[in-house]
Amino acid sequence: KAGVTQTPRYLIKTRGQQVTLSCSPISGHRSVSWYQQTPGQGLQFLFEYFSETQRNKGNFPGRFSGRQFSNSRSEMNVSTLELGDSALYLCASSGLGVKSSYNEQFFGPGTRLTVL
Amino acid sequence: GNSVTQMEGPVTLSEEAFLTINCTYTATGYPSLFWYVQYPGEGLQLLLKATKADDKGSNKGFEATYRKETTSFHLEKGSVQVSDSAVYFCALSEGSSNYKLTFGKGTLLTVNP
Repeated sequence: KAGVTQTPRYLIKTRGQQVTLSCSPISGHRSVSWYQQTPGQGLQFLFEYFSETQRNKGNFPGRFSGRQFSNSRSEMNVSTLELGDSALYLCASSGLGVKSSYNEQFFGPGTRLTVL
Repeated sequence: GNSVTQMEGPVTLSEEAFLTINCTYTATGYPSLFWYVQYPGEGLQLLLKATKADDKGSNKGFEATYRKETTSFHLEKGSVQVSDSAVYFCALSEGSSNYKLTFGKGTLLTVNP
């Protein structure tokens, strides 16, 4: 079974630009969550989508947005990039309702975003 | 709000040494507790979990017991290997927000041969 895939793996942008990151969950998984990992703040929850609906949202500004498609693939978008947005962005999927996977999130390798 | 505090690293051990990484939490209700591991250049992998008080999670020689009275979930391994070198994260999820994980800062473990 293929794992969670994220594209691209590395990205370099300049301040003020916008960026879109993509996440393909494990086949059959319907929940997709996004996290930001930085050396200073650690791992912080961005948002979670289930069946194309945002169910949970972390404490990030409106520049951070996401969406989920009918095939459960998800994208997150960051507009008007700031230097502080440089981070590893991790996506995780979960098989809601699958007994052995209850509450377990499977993480992708992440997208390393550098803002210059 | 919820929070997780884990011991500051880095932790450096010799092969076959005993490992303890402390983790305490603050949460309302009855959280589920997790240890995740991150190897260099990779995403997080679930190491073990416990969903209720006194549960012991175990995997690959690692163990952690959910202690409600001390709000702790310390990670232990009796004999570490070089391949255990990684960053370890303690995390919790709670209630209806099961898919929102709150993480500790992470502890870098280096095991020398």
